[in-house]
Amino acid sequence: DAKTTQPNSMESNEEEPVHLPCNHSTISGTDYIHWYRQLPSQGPEYVIHGLTSNVNNRMASLAIAEDRKSSTLILHRATLRDAAVYYCIRNSGGSNYKLTFGKGTLLTVNP
Amino acid sequence: DAGVIQSPRHEVTEMGQEVTLRCKPISGHDYLFWYRQTMMRGLELLIYFNNNVPIDDSGMPEDRFSAKMPNASFSTLKIQPSEPRDSAVYFCASSQLAGLPTDTQYFGPGTRLTVL
Repeated sequence: DAKTTQPNSMESNEEEPVHLPCNHSTISGTDYIHWYRQLPSQGPEYVIHGLTSNVNNRMASLAIAEDRKSSTLILHRATLRDAAVYYCIRNSGGSNYKLTFGKGTLLTVNP
Repeated sequence: DAGVIQSPRHEVTEMGQEVTLRCKPISGHDYLFWYRQTMMRGLELLIYFNNNVPIDDSGMPEDRFSAKMPNASFSTLKIQPSEPRDSAVYFCASSQLAGLPTDTQYFGPGTRLTVL
């Protein structure tokens, strides 16, 4: 089972940066790290993914440690709409392809 | 594109009744996934299809559950007979590149099923 470890919950204030950590110490060399988030009463939505180097898109940044055993999702300025459960997932692809969603991190954003 | 479409959004039924959930994937996506989400078990994969063919149904809880994909634009998840423990939110997702580690899945809004 492709395991990742995340804190159960985190809190942030509006318009402040948020750093959501994820440990994946048993990651293989070809696994990508993906982040999804699930807003209240909605389906999960893709946020970002990366392999080795840091990645940026309009939603967030992904910082991957040099040894690839951990990564951090960065929301540069949290808004109330960013309150959600954030899932860190290892994606190894392959013929028996599955995404394993753990418990994720519940992010609360305070006004 | 309208995204992944699921119907109904809410379903309330009585124990023993047949329930059919429907999904329309994003056009051009060859992979379709059915997930179930509960507070106790989180989000779990039930089954997925590639080009309308079931690839892995190991997550289907028991024979009361069945899924079909008669064509590239439609899939159903059926529960017969339904039981109260089937109450959950059922999500459908689709993707283009499943099997590649860069693949991303697009989820529908879900169907909230309540079995009384």
